[in-house]
Amino acid sequence: DADVTQTPRNRITKTGKRIMLECSQTKGHDRMYWYRQDPGLGLRLIYYSFDVKDINKGEISDGYSVSRQAQAKFSLSLESAIPNQTALYFCATSAPSGRGSPDTQYFGPGTRLTVL
Amino acid sequence: RKEVEQDPGPFNVPEGATVAFNCTYSNSASQSFFWYRQDCRKEPKLLMSVYSSGNEDGRFTAQLNRASQYISLLIRDSKLSDSATYLCVVSGAAGNKLTFGGGTRVLVKP
Repeated sequence: DADVTQTPRNRITKTGKRIMLECSQTKGHDRMYWYRQDPGLGLRLIYYSFDVKDINKGEISDGYSVSRQAQAKFSLSLESAIPNQTALYFCATSAPSGRGSPDTQYFGPGTRLTVL
Repeated sequence: RKEVEQDPGPFNVPEGATVAFNCTYSNSASQSFFWYRQDCRKEPKLLMSVYSSGNEDGRFTAQLNRASQYISLLIRDSKLSDSATYLCVVSGAAGNKLTFGGGTRVLVKP
C-alpha cells in the first residue's frame, strides 16, 4: 500500500463549488504539505503543517484553506473554486532529518483538478 | 525573476550518451539543494541531495557552485528509463520549505 494517499485522484467541478482534497499518510510523519503544480511553473507551496496544532501559509494560500484533522490526515479545501485553480495538487510528508539537515519530502500520487 | 530557474528542455539524448544541465537560484542564503525526478503524471521523488563538495550516485553526478549560484546534474551512460523531468529544489535557512524549479525534461532515445 502507498505510504501517502490522496483522494480523489481526478475531479472535475464547476466554478463556485466547494471542493475538498484529502491526504492520508502511514509514514508516521509530523510534517505535511500541500503543493500545486502548473506546467512550467514547478511546484508551489500552498500550506504546510509541522504538527496537528500548527498550520502555516505557503507561497500561494489565497483561495485555499486546510485542516489537519490528525497526524495522518491533512485536507485542502477550495472554498469557491475558480478556473485558474485548475492544476495538479500534491500532498507531501516529511520527518526531521536531524540538526541542520533538511527533510526529505515524500509525495502522494497527486489529484488532478479541473475547474470549469 | 524566478527563485529557481531551469531550462525546460527537452534534452534529446541518445541512449548511452552523457547529458548535463544546470539550475540557477537567486537566494544566496539558500542552504540545501536537491534534485528530484518526476515521471509523466507521477509524483516527484528524491533523486539525490547536492553537497558542497559535489557527489555521485552511480551514473548521476551533482555539483554545487555557490559563487555563481547554480547546481548541475550530469547523467552518464543514459538509459531509456532516465527519461523524466528533473526538478531542481532549493531550501532556505529553515530547511523545511522547498522551492522548486520548473523542471528540465530529458528524453533518452534508442
